[in-house]
Amino acid sequence: DAGVTQSPTHLIKTRGQQVTLRCSPKSGHDTVSWYQQALGQGPQFIFQYYEEEERQRGNFPDRFSGHQFPNYSSELNVNALLLGDSALYLCASSLTVTGRSYEQYFGPGTRLTVT
Amino acid sequence: DQQVKQNSPSLSVQEGRISILNCDYTNSMFDYFLWYKKYPAEGPTFLISISSIKDKNEDGRFTVFLNKSAKHLSLHIVPSQPGDSAVYFCAASVPSGAGSYQLTFGKGTKLSVIP
Repeated sequence: DAGVTQSPTHLIKTRGQQVTLRCSPKSGHDTVSWYQQALGQGPQFIFQYYEEEERQRGNFPDRFSGHQFPNYSSELNVNALLLGDSALYLCASSLTVTGRSYEQYFGPGTRLTVT
Repeated sequence: DQQVKQNSPSLSVQEGRISILNCDYTNSMFDYFLWYKKYPAEGPTFLISISSIKDKNEDGRFTVFLNKSAKHLSLHIVPSQPGDSAVYFCAASVPSGAGSYQLTFGKGTKLSVIP
């Protein structure tokens, strides 16, 4: 049973650049959420995708955008990168149809460093 | 405004003894609470959850207790094993309609189980 996978593992970008992170959900899951984890902090909710639409968003600027594809995989895009965007980006998948989408399963994350 | 608080950054316990990890919350609208374990360079791993209408949930060595009046929950690990050494995150979910849930995390407690 394939778990949540993310790519790439690590990424180094320069201020002002744009980045795309990718996520494949756990087999059978239909919902993808993205979180940002800064050093020493807990994960912070960015947004959630279901049925290829963003249905919930946390307190993040419009520079953060996403997409969900028909196969349920997802991308997170960040434009105009700032030094403060350096963090571990986590993707979590869940299953909405069971009513248990609060039970979210995380991937290993992408470590983004902005210089 | 931190809605989920883990006030102990670290905890050390002898192997075989009980580990008790604590979490406090402020939002009375939270309906599910979850515990995750995180090893370095990995994503958080789901451990156990509890509904706000319950006061206890047990799964093997892990038991979560919820005290709604005190807005407090705790995770008990009995007996503790060296492999339990990790950072433990408390998380809470709020429903946002249409089966959507957003998780709010604490900052984590680093558990060290000493052989």
